[in-house]
Amino acid sequence: NAGVTQTPKFQVLKTGQSMTLQCAQDMNHNSMYWYRQDPGMGLRLIYYSASEGTTDKGEVPNGYNVSRLNKREFSLRLESAAPSQTSVYFCASSEVLAGGSYEQYFGPGTRLTVT
Amino acid sequence: RKEVEQDPGPFNVPEGATVAFNCTYSNSASQSFFWYRQDCRKEPKLLMSVYSSGNEDGRFTAQLNRASQYISLLIRDSKLSDSATYLCVVNMLGSGGGADGLTFGKGTHLIIQP
Repeated sequence: NAGVTQTPKFQVLKTGQSMTLQCAQDMNHNSMYWYRQDPGMGLRLIYYSASEGTTDKGEVPNGYNVSRLNKREFSLRLESAAPSQTSVYFCASSEVLAGGSYEQYFGPGTRLTVT
Repeated sequence: RKEVEQDPGPFNVPEGATVAFNCTYSNSASQSFFWYRQDCRKEPKLLMSVYSSGNEDGRFTAQLNRASQYISLLIRDSKLSDSATYLCVVNMLGSGGGADGLTFGKGTHLIIQP
């Protein structure tokens, strides 16, 4: 079981370039998430997908798009990168715990720098 | 008002000491509570759930105070390997925390010194 995998691990973009961050999970989870983490800001939810075929905005969706390709894969796209999008991006998936709550499992993160 | 608040620290603690930190949450309807641990430049991982009656896992004790809306984490006999950032996580359905309603605090940075 690989858990949650993300590619690439590191990326440097110039302002205006586009790219797609890939995420896959092999735990058969329904829900998947994209977060960004900046110093002093904590984890902020960008988009999430409660199930295959559905996506919803989180706290900071502007400048991003997502695709839930199938149950395993959830990608994040930056159409025109800006320096403000320099951050560490985490993908996560979640499963239901006994009692009805959830545990989130995170990927190793993608460190993105936009110059 | 922030939904989940933590003292960012850092807490500098000598090895072997006991350290405790709290987290407050704003939604009184919150149902589930957790502590996650995040090592430097790594992803967050679940440390422990927090139950109403309080729970212990080895050197770690978590407690919940619903009346005052805070949870706490106590670490006894601290080790160098306990150095990390500890994230308070609260389930707040309808708060924009996604499908499962998990809302993360910004974390408390703990440094255990030899």
